[in-house]
Amino acid sequence: TQLLEQSPQFLSIQEGENLTVYCNSSSVFSSLQWYRQEPGEGPVLLVTVVTGGEVKKLKRLTFQFGDARKDSSLHITAAQTGDTGLYLCAGALLENAGNMLTFGGGTRLMVKP
Amino acid sequence: DVKVTQSSRYLVKRTGEKVFLECVQDMDHENMFWYRQDPGLGLRLIYFSYDVKMKEKGDIPEGYSVSREKKERFSLILESASTNQTSMYLCASSFGGLHSPLHFGNGTRLTVT
Repeated sequence: TQLLEQSPQFLSIQEGENLTVYCNSSSVFSSLQWYRQEPGEGPVLLVTVVTGGEVKKLKRLTFQFGDARKDSSLHITAAQTGDTGLYLCAGALLENAGNMLTFGGGTRLMVKP
Repeated sequence: DVKVTQSSRYLVKRTGEKVFLECVQDMDHENMFWYRQDPGLGLRLIYFSYDVKMKEKGDIPEGYSVSREKKERFSLILESASTNQTSMYLCASSFGGLHSPLHFGNGTRLTVT
């Protein structure tokens, strides 16, 4: 069992649809980051959330950190084909003094035209 | 922009060979990391380094070693490659501050036959 569970693992939707990806844990994190990875490239940071209950928006992407800092969600409104990719959440455990991140298993999103 | 460069995009090695994966970053980052990425498992940390000549084990260090002789370079070594080490290997760096993001290279896909 992974420390950070992402769901769903795979998602295939039509352009224009909305979707939500979840990242859940029983552990508390000091911060949580979301990355997107495209084929042939390394993951690229989308956002960092730090405060429980925090909501951040990045154009059509909305990120939320749970009140207890154990979970997070990524909501995409009116998905576009350019949103296709692997979405990874990564958390810094509260008890870790260093900068080590624990990654979820990823959500592979396919947006069809 | 931070650039993290991995020396090879693809490598094919035979079982028992010694394998070197090289990574260089150009932003004077303190921290460097080696992850392996396998479908459904996300990114798993192999080793990391907070400073020159310093190394710490991650979650799955068995069968691997690392070297950091210079700040900008972090090498991953497979002393005797095995087929279960076939994977995508990702190098990353960060400046080390609280909540600092990881900057990834484009990965090395290693196949061990």
